[in-house]
Amino acid sequence: EIVLTQSPGTLSLSPGERATLSCRASQSVSSSYLAWYQQKPGQAPRLLIYGASSRATGIPDRFSGSGSGTDFTLTISRLEPEDFAVYYCQQYGSSSWTFGQGTKVEIK
Amino acid sequence: QVQLVQSGAEVKKPGASVKVSCKASGYTFTSYGISWVRQAPGQGLEWMGWISAYNGNTNYAQKLQGRVTMTTDTSTSTAYMELRSLRSDDTAVYYCARVLGYGCHDYWGQGTLVTVSS
Repeated sequence: EIVLTQSPGTLSLSPGERATLSCRASQSVSSSYLAWYQQKPGQAPRLLIYGASSRATGIPDRFSGSGSGTDFTLTISRLEPEDFAVYYCQQYGSSSWTFGQGTKVEIK
Repeated sequence: QVQLVQSGAEVKKPGASVKVSCKASGYTFTSYGISWVRQAPGQGLEWMGWISAYNGNTNYAQKLQGRVTMTTDTSTSTAYMELRSLRSDDTAVYYCARVLGYGCHDYWGQGTLVTVSS
């Protein structure tokens, strides 16, 4: 099973700042099958990025994804108040899925 | 518009079973698979398994093998997840989610809280 490790666990930033979230895989992941989600308290996760770098429908362009192999990054160029949430990466391979443990982006 | 609507909260005793439903609308049900994902209180997301709505093929997370069964009813566009021999650490919010061809989950149900307590 591929293990995804996200860092940092918590990111304390101010609105307007840039957020860089990391997702490292225990073995190589196909870029086609790496996704990022945002989750706010009491809500279901929301798909942000799929295929490592493609934005899902309706996702603002301040969200971008990059990376390949074992290292992937989610960047939020300028944090808006509604962006403070928990973010998860997820990979798919061999008919199974795994999620990272999440990065919480909190207001500094 | 695509919607996944799940059944309501459940309270179960240890050793019992629970069956959660997920009714899909707004798309051709048999064209997409459904994953089930759970989230224990204050914890992260855990993938439980996947079912093809086209042919009923399934794949379950190894740790749940033997305790979980996923099914679909194409006549009502509904997916089901049954978990047996419930333990206290099965207490969680259970989500269904539609699977895109990129292996990602684009639409999610609202979640169903299952509480296991004696």
